[in-house]
Amino acid sequence: AQSVTQLDSQVPVFEEAPVELRCNYSSSVSVYLFWYVQYPNQGLQLLLKYLSGSTLVKGINGFEAEFNKSQTSFHLRKPSVHISDTAEYFCAVSLPSPRDYKLSFGAGTTVTVRA
Amino acid sequence: DGGITQSPKYLFRKEGQNVTLSCEQNLNHDAMYWYRQDPGQGLRLIYYSQIVNDFQKGDIAEGYSVSREKKESFPLTVTSAQKNPTAFYLCASSIDRSRRPEAFFGQGTRLTVV
Repeated sequence: AQSVTQLDSQVPVFEEAPVELRCNYSSSVSVYLFWYVQYPNQGLQLLLKYLSGSTLVKGINGFEAEFNKSQTSFHLRKPSVHISDTAEYFCAVSLPSPRDYKLSFGAGTTVTVRA
Repeated sequence: DGGITQSPKYLFRKEGQNVTLSCEQNLNHDAMYWYRQDPGQGLRLIYYSQIVNDFQKGDIAEGYSVSREKKESFPLTVTSAQKNPTAFYLCASSIDRSRRPEAFFGQGTRLTVV
């Protein structure tokens, strides 16, 4: 079974500074990878996804992530954060199978952006 | 606008009572899911359904039940057998595993047992 580990539970960062959120996954087969963002008391919104192809994936709101198969990682980055990026971020993995619809989520990383 | 609607947003339940959370989608998605979210634990899958009249248990199905009588609806019942039901519940849907495998989420229902 596949699983996800988010290496940082909380990341404080100053406004306009860069941020990196770390995600490692475990799977014996190829996977799909996702990053979602959740604002307080709301649902999850997809930031970006990796299915195949280029290992550098660009998403919404200036976020990007790099898939590294050898290190089984999918770290999320943003070069300059805003106050509005304060939220919880989840890394998720699923199998590229037409019959397996399950997403497995990491525990989440809380990003707090300070002025 | 297309989307996933969960209702109610907040729900209070007395111990020993069953309660049903509503989830409706107008995206014409085949698959629907229920997740439970607790602080520091991420999201855990309760039940999922790939087609009408069929559903499978997820990782934490005990104390919950679901039905899928219509493509657009996937209600979740939290029964009195669920020992710790206070949590944030999220419903999601997805369209096609090969082209669009990502899930789209509703705004959630916060259930509190009093």
